[in-house]
Amino acid sequence: EAGVTQFPSHSVIEKGQTVTLRCDPISGHDNLYWYRRVMGKEIKFLLHFVKESKQDESGMPNNRFLAERTGGTYSTLKVQPAELEDSGVYFCASSPRDLGGGELFFGEGSRLTVL
Amino acid sequence: DAKTTQPNSMESNEEEPVHLPCNHSTISGTDYIHWYRQLPSQGPEYVIHGLTSNVNNRMASLAIAEDRKSSTLILHRATLRDAAVYYCILKGAGGTSYGKLTFGQGTILTVHP
Repeated sequence: EAGVTQFPSHSVIEKGQTVTLRCDPISGHDNLYWYRRVMGKEIKFLLHFVKESKQDESGMPNNRFLAERTGGTYSTLKVQPAELEDSGVYFCASSPRDLGGGELFFGEGSRLTVL
Repeated sequence: DAKTTQPNSMESNEEEPVHLPCNHSTISGTDYIHWYRQLPSQGPEYVIHGLTSNVNNRMASLAIAEDRKSSTLILHRATLRDAAVYYCILKGAGGTSYGKLTFGQGTILTVHP
């Protein structure tokens, strides 16, 4: 069974450009999460989808970030326009529908470098 | 979110047991205790979780104190592949933020050959 896959694995863009990160969760997982680690900081929660609905987007840093999950399958995270402080590793995770005690399955991350 | 406290780093020798401690004195009755680890250049990987009773799986054991204010992740025989950052995380059940993990700085485990 395929795990959580993320694309691209590494993206290098100029400040002010747009980048779209994609996450394909494990098939059948209703829950999809985005996290990120910026340089020297801890991994931080960004948002949580249940199917196509945003359950919790309390971690989204500002309106330059837009996450979508059309059809409740894969998700995209768009950063527009990108700033230097957006550099870091963006992780996606998924889990089956449960009451919260279960594990999250993480992808290997998308490294974003903004120059 | 309830906070956890872990040592910054620990060291072990290969094939010896490792006990990674975690304090969570403000844990609530519905919080699960989760452990994840992150190997270099990879995403976090689930290790084990528990609520009240001790738990065992193929990767590790989790010993939970009777008052639930602390727990210990036990790797029975450390291998070089176990060198990673280990995170102890309290995860709520139910509510709107049940999927949210709050990562701390974790414990960097070094395993010596």
